[in-house]
Amino acid sequence: GQQVMQIPQYQHVQEGEDFTTYCNSSTTLSNIQWYKQRPGGHPVFLIQLVKSGEVKKQKRLTFQFGEAKKNSSLHITATQTTDVGTYFCAGPMDTGNQFYFGTGTSLTVIP
Amino acid sequence: NAGVMQNPRHLVRRRGQEARLRCSPMKGHSHVYWYRQLPEEGLKFMVYLQKENIIDESGMPKERFSAEFPKEGPSILRIQQVVRGDSAAYFCASSIRPMGYTFGSGTRLTVV
Repeated sequence: GQQVMQIPQYQHVQEGEDFTTYCNSSTTLSNIQWYKQRPGGHPVFLIQLVKSGEVKKQKRLTFQFGEAKKNSSLHITATQTTDVGTYFCAGPMDTGNQFYFGTGTSLTVIP
Repeated sequence: NAGVMQNPRHLVRRRGQEARLRCSPMKGHSHVYWYRQLPEEGLKFMVYLQKENIIDESGMPKERFSAEFPKEGPSILRIQQVVRGDSAAYFCASSIRPMGYTFGSGTRLTVV
């Protein structure tokens, strides 16, 4: 069945350091989405990538979709304490509008 | 324009009771999705509904769980005869393709 794996599961960084999380799918994805969930909160949509090799930036966040459309990454430059949370990637399920969420990467930023 | 509204935010039930979770999608959104999140885990798809139709319930447990999205009113996720293993956060989301999901704040269910 479909699987979307993320690594690492946990990451602790000093404030100001960079952070990257990787998302790998067992199947080719038509698109991929990224979400952020703060501790105790709900997931919030960040971005959607559609094209092979696509790169999108949101301030200090850089999102990339692999050439084969089976992997993706999220890179945060110079982390801040406001970046704390769990970052999920999500790929569409075979059956339609539903999305299958990755296992998530929990980011802790140490001041 | 209110976001996705879920209630209650917190729900405590004794084993064997019924839990009813409500979700009102964003105005104009006709697709509703329910996800379950166990502590320290990811989001697991449960069911996808449109008005008066269940489109995909492949993630729903076969027994005790049901969902509906009536023509009028919110979507309801119903869990009968709750057990301790049902304790989790239940998130509802709505969308208009091709945009991403908008999630509600979730219902934290605790079974005691």
